[in-house]
Amino acid sequence: EAGVAQSPRYKIIEKRQSVAFWCNPISGHATLYWYQQILGQGPKLLIQFQNNGVVDDSQLPKDRFSAERLKGVDSTLKIQPAKLEDSAVYLCASSLEVGSEQFFGPGTRLTVL
Amino acid sequence: DQQVKQNSPSLSVQEGRISILNCDYTNSMFDYFLWYKKYPAEGPTFLISISSIKDKNEDGRFTVFLNKSAKHLSLHIVPSQPGDSAVYFCAASEDSPIQGAQKLVFGQGTRLTINP
Repeated sequence: EAGVAQSPRYKIIEKRQSVAFWCNPISGHATLYWYQQILGQGPKLLIQFQNNGVVDDSQLPKDRFSAERLKGVDSTLKIQPAKLEDSAVYLCASSLEVGSEQFFGPGTRLTVL
Repeated sequence: DQQVKQNSPSLSVQEGRISILNCDYTNSMFDYFLWYKKYPAEGPTFLISISSIKDKNEDGRFTVFLNKSAKHLSLHIVPSQPGDSAVYFCAASEDSPIQGAQKLVFGQGTRLTINP
């Protein structure tokens, strides 16, 4: 069974630029999560989707971050404009349903200069 | 505020001995606890979990203990093997007031190194 795929794996941008990350969850997984992991900290949930609807985006900085999951499969997370403090690993995870085991992708490491 | 804390950033253990990783939490509403293991350049992978109605869960070499009164859980690995060298995250979840939501709150992680 293929795991959660993410791209790109690494991205370096300058502050105030825009960036987008892509996630392809495990086939059949209805629930998709985006996490931000800052160096030295644990992952922090940004947004949770159930199929193509947003369930919880209470911790998403909506002034600069946006996410969508069109057709209930792939998802994109966008940052516009980026700030220095956005430097982190962005992890995507999926689960069969809410409450079931979450499977994580390898993450995208973002560096904002 | 840090609701889940792993106060040891790193731990070094001799191969074959017991590794004990600790985690403290502050939110008494947490009802499910998990441990994840993370290798470099990979995402975290689920290792073992425990419900708040239990005080121990065992899976092979891995045992998780939960002390609700102390708001403390620990992961025991016996015997420790070189392949266990990784970063271990403790995580906790509670019923969300948002219908259909599940929120995991992670600790900062502990880097475990198993020495041959």
